[in-house]
Amino acid sequence: EAGVAQSPRYKIIEKRQSVAFWCNPISGHATLYWYQQILGQGPKLLIQFQNNGVVDDSQLPKDRFSAERLKGVDSTLKIQPAKLEDSAVYLCASSLGSGTGETQYFGPGTRLLVL
Amino acid sequence: GQNIDQPTEMTATEGAIVQINCTYQTSGFNGLFWYQQHAGEAPTFLSYNVLDGLEEKGRFSSFLSRSKGYSYLLLKELQMKDSASYLCAVSAPSMDSNYQLIWGAGTKLIIKP
Repeated sequence: EAGVAQSPRYKIIEKRQSVAFWCNPISGHATLYWYQQILGQGPKLLIQFQNNGVVDDSQLPKDRFSAERLKGVDSTLKIQPAKLEDSAVYLCASSLGSGTGETQYFGPGTRLLVL
Repeated sequence: GQNIDQPTEMTATEGAIVQINCTYQTSGFNGLFWYQQHAGEAPTFLSYNVLDGLEEKGRFSSFLSRSKGYSYLLLKELQMKDSASYLCAVSAPSMDSNYQLIWGAGTKLIIKP
């Protein structure tokens, strides 16, 4: 079974530029998550999709971050404009459902450096 | 508030046993996960506890006490490849009646020969 795919793996941009990340979840997984992980910290949930609907985006900085999951499969996360503090690893995860005991499976992440 | 505490870093010797503790204070509790994360890689699932007691899975075991808000991950017969960060995460109800994972900052485990 193929795992969660993400691209690109690394990205370096200057502040105020825009950037987009792509995620393809495990086939059949209805729930998709985007996390931000700053070095030395645990993952912070940015947004959670159930199929193509948003379940939780309470911690998404909506003035600069946006995400979509068209057709309930692939997803993109965009930052525009980027700030220095956005430097982090952006992890995509998926799970079969959104129930309490659902295991989340993570992709390799995109490491973003904003200069 | 929601809070999860883990030691920042631990060191152990190859072949030995190490216990990584996690304490939590959350509004509600629906289970606790342990994930392993090697440097530069994604977290991978290790265990899930929802009832009190010890769950054993090979060299790794996880314990939960809901009344104490406490869990630990026990690693036996340590190998160099066990050097990684270990993340504790609690499943709890979110404000919109769904479930959310609240993550600890992780414990960096260093294994020495």
